[in-house]
Amino acid sequence: GNSVTQMEGPVTLSEEAFLTINCTYTATGYPSLFWYVQYPGEGLQLLLKATKADDKGSNKGFEATYRKETTSFHLEKGSVQVSDSAVYFCALRESSGGSNYKLTFGKGTLLTVNP
Amino acid sequence: GAGVSQSPRYKVAKRGQDVALRCDPISGHVSLFWYQQALGQGPEFLTYFQNEAQLDKSGLPSDRFFAERPEGSVSTLKIQRTQQEDSAVYLCASSPELAGVYEQYFGPGTRLTVT
Repeated sequence: GNSVTQMEGPVTLSEEAFLTINCTYTATGYPSLFWYVQYPGEGLQLLLKATKADDKGSNKGFEATYRKETTSFHLEKGSVQVSDSAVYFCALRESSGGSNYKLTFGKGTLLTVNP
Repeated sequence: GAGVSQSPRYKVAKRGQDVALRCDPISGHVSLFWYQQALGQGPEFLTYFQNEAQLDKSGLPSDRFFAERPEGSVSTLKIQRTQQEDSAVYLCASSPELAGVYEQYFGPGTRLTVT
């Protein structure tokens, strides 16, 4: 079955530091890949996505590139802010077949950014 | 506009009690999903509705779990004879069309604690 593995947290950084959160996946076919963010007390929000190999998703300074050869979708940001403190989830969705509506999530990575 | 709302936000139940969790999706959204998020884990798919039709309930953990969406709008997730292992955050998401194409918009979740 499908699965997503992301780096264990928590991750603690100082403001303006470089962020990488690793994510690898196992899936049949060519899934779509997502990063969701969950701020305290709020629902999951889509941060960025990529639907095919070599696509780069980007939003709010965050980027992730769909790497089929390494089955990875690592999240990066060049300079984090205190307001980026949240839990980040990597997820996949099958691109075809009868279950292409289900999201499969990783366990989440808690990021804390200190001023 | 209004997002997905869920009520109650917090629910404490004694073991053996029945609970009902409500989801109000974004108006006009055709697809509705329920996910279960255990502590320290990513969300896991429970069930999927397209309008009032429950097309997939493969993720429901036992026959104590029941979901409905009788008029194709509001949905209720019911858990009968709650057990401690049911303690989790229950997330609802909606999507404007078939979710294979569009983003899923998540509510803030209901945190269920079974004592």
